Amino acid sequence: GAGVSQSPSNKVTEKGKDVELRCDPISGHTALYWYRQSLGQGLEFLIYFQGNSAPDKSGLPSDRFSAERTGGSVSTLTIQRTQQEDSAVYLCASSLVNEQYFGPGTRLTVT
Amino acid sequence: AQSVTQLDSHVSVSEGTPVLLRCNYSSSYSPSLFWYVQHPNKGLQLLLKYTSAATLVKGINGFEAEFKKSETSFHLTKPSAHMSDAAEYFCVVSERAVIYNQGGKLIFGQGTELSVKP
Repeated sequence: GAGVSQSPSNKVTEKGKDVELRCDPISGHTALYWYRQSLGQGLEFLIYFQGNSAPDKSGLPSDRFSAERTGGSVSTLTIQRTQQEDSAVYLCASSLVNEQYFGPGTRLTVT
Repeated sequence: AQSVTQLDSHVSVSEGTPVLLRCNYSSSYSPSLFWYVQHPNKGLQLLLKYTSAATLVKGINGFEAEFKKSETSFHLTKPSAHMSDAAEYFCVVSERAVIYNQGGKLIFGQGTELSVKP
């Protein structure tokens, strides 16, 4: 069946612009996670959704980062006023019970 | 607080020889432990998981790992390396989602890059 999909696969943006990253989880998966993978910081948790609510936002690095999930399905991660340190691969994962399945990621480059 | 330490940032083996990737964890709760693999320019793929059943866990592609509570270790092994095993490997810990809204976010180690020489 279809796995987790993310779009775009690559995004280049100028410093100060806003970007939106999209995640389509596996159908029926109630939990959705965003992570970030960067050279300096490794793989870091950003936010977790159960259904449409986000019980754990503890990994969001600043108030420029926000995320929402609608219909218990698609999620959007928004970064406002992007900075160069936001350059990273943003990964989305979904799960039903214990095992998380990852998407291919969105590579964000801020110039 | 939970944490994971991968003891080697890079491991190099010859094809056909055993693989050992070392991982130690710290957790206040009964942990779930995972190994994920990431091939170049590919997504993360689950190799195996431990969730308090058998302490010796078998995964895909001939990999296995043993949970040792007394040593707080979860080392990954494979009897015979193949060229296609060259990739980055992540040891991961998660609190088991005992309560509905606790999540189960993954805490990743820094990764071990495995090189396989012909």
